[in-house]
Amino acid sequence: EALLVESGGGLVMPGGSLRLSCAASGFKFSAYGMNWVRQAPGRGLEWVSSITSSTGLIFYADSVKGRFTISRDNAKNSVYLQMNSLRAEDTAVYYCARDRFGDYSRLFDPWGQGTLVTVSS
Amino acid sequence: SYVLAQPPSVSVAPGETARITCGGDNLGSKSVHWYQQKPGQAPVLVIYYDDDRPSGIPERVSGSKSGNTASLTISRVEAGDEADYYCQVWDSGSDQSIFGTGTKVTVL
Repeated sequence: EALLVESGGGLVMPGGSLRLSCAASGFKFSAYGMNWVRQAPGRGLEWVSSITSSTGLIFYADSVKGRFTISRDNAKNSVYLQMNSLRAEDTAVYYCARDRFGDYSRLFDPWGQGTLVTVSS
Repeated sequence: SYVLAQPPSVSVAPGETARITCGGDNLGSKSVHWYQQKPGQAPVLVIYYDDDRPSGIPERVSGSKSGNTASLTISRVEAGDEADYYCQVWDSGSDQSIFGTGTKVTVL
């Protein structure tokens, strides 16, 4: 069974940085695209970023472009989200999600349990 | 930027049918996926590629699309169907994934 576990969330001051990690197990990680999706308190889902399996093609939402960096380490079965220049509006639960059908399916299944990022002074 | 519009809420009595719509420009040319999110939980995929159902999702949950509107239909609604539902597409024009605004389904 595919399992995703996020970590690295916490409280950070505006302008600060944080690195989220997502550890994958139960499937061949190197064969799947991976994604980050966030949800601000009481709000809807917002896609953040995607990275393909081996080619490393990367995509970002306009709201995080230039501030966030997605990366992956296939040897460690992990995907990361480096978040810089954080703003109050980045406060959210950040979910890691796998592409359901390898690469380029652009649909998310399964999802991790999420990690909370709070940007506040 | 690309927008997917959903009704904020849908209320339905147990045993009845709930229908959630998702509208967007040129939606007919895109694949639509649907997620269910219960309070305090991560989203779960319930419909993909407009009308396919993952294993484990009951047959009373179905998807369809006509023109620029996609629909998620839940037949014989149960209390356990109470959740938020989101549609999602990949917008090739911007190379971004887009979620709908979300619909809260309340079982009366």
